[in-house]
Amino acid sequence: GENVEQHPSTLSVQEGDSAVIKCTYSDSASNYFPWYKQELGKRPQLIIDIRSNVGEKKDQRIAVTLNKTAKHFSLHITETQPEDSAVYFCAASIRGGGADGLTFGKGTHLIIQP
Amino acid sequence: DAMVIQNPRYQVTQFGKPVTLSCSQTLNHNVMYWYQQKSSQAPKLLFHYYDKDFNNEADTPDNFQSRRPNTSFCFLDIRSPGLGDAAMYLCATSGLWDRGVWGYTFGSGTRLTVV
Repeated sequence: GENVEQHPSTLSVQEGDSAVIKCTYSDSASNYFPWYKQELGKRPQLIIDIRSNVGEKKDQRIAVTLNKTAKHFSLHITETQPEDSAVYFCAASIRGGGADGLTFGKGTHLIIQP
Repeated sequence: DAMVIQNPRYQVTQFGKPVTLSCSQTLNHNVMYWYQQKSSQAPKLLFHYYDKDFNNEADTPDNFQSRRPNTSFCFLDIRSPGLGDAAMYLCATSGLWDRGVWGYTFGSGTRLTVV
């Protein structure tokens, strides 16, 4: 089955700086890659996703890049703010996440230092 | 305007006593999923329904069962909860078309405590 590795496990950045979280996946058939933000005790919230026919996607301060050849994808957050502090999970799915569910990375605890 | 609703938010059950968690959706999505998320870990898929077709993950313990009586509702049954089953249980739904999933939505979760 699919295996997703996520790094780093903890990331501390100064407010206003950029944060980058990286993930690799094992199954070349995976073609849907969402990123979730989860605050303590709350549900995972989708923040951005990308499909394998696209190399980059941006939404305001958040961007995701995908390198299919290397089987890795990254989340970029610019101009970080205190409310960006949370745990971030990457995920991958075969067949566009169809009926196979998502395989998650272990998560990155992002800490924004004031 | 909650669209994937899980009840209850918190559930306390006794060791070995069967418990049922429920999930309902107003999105008319054809796929419903159950994930288990233990403290400080990633969500782990237990099983999913694609319409009425049930799909179990290979490493999901037999202690966990699921029912989907109609499009809107899905239940997670834990036949004999152990202390290791204490976790947040997340229900999710998605639509599916030939290009893949859309509208992947998580419920707020049920936090299960086993005493």
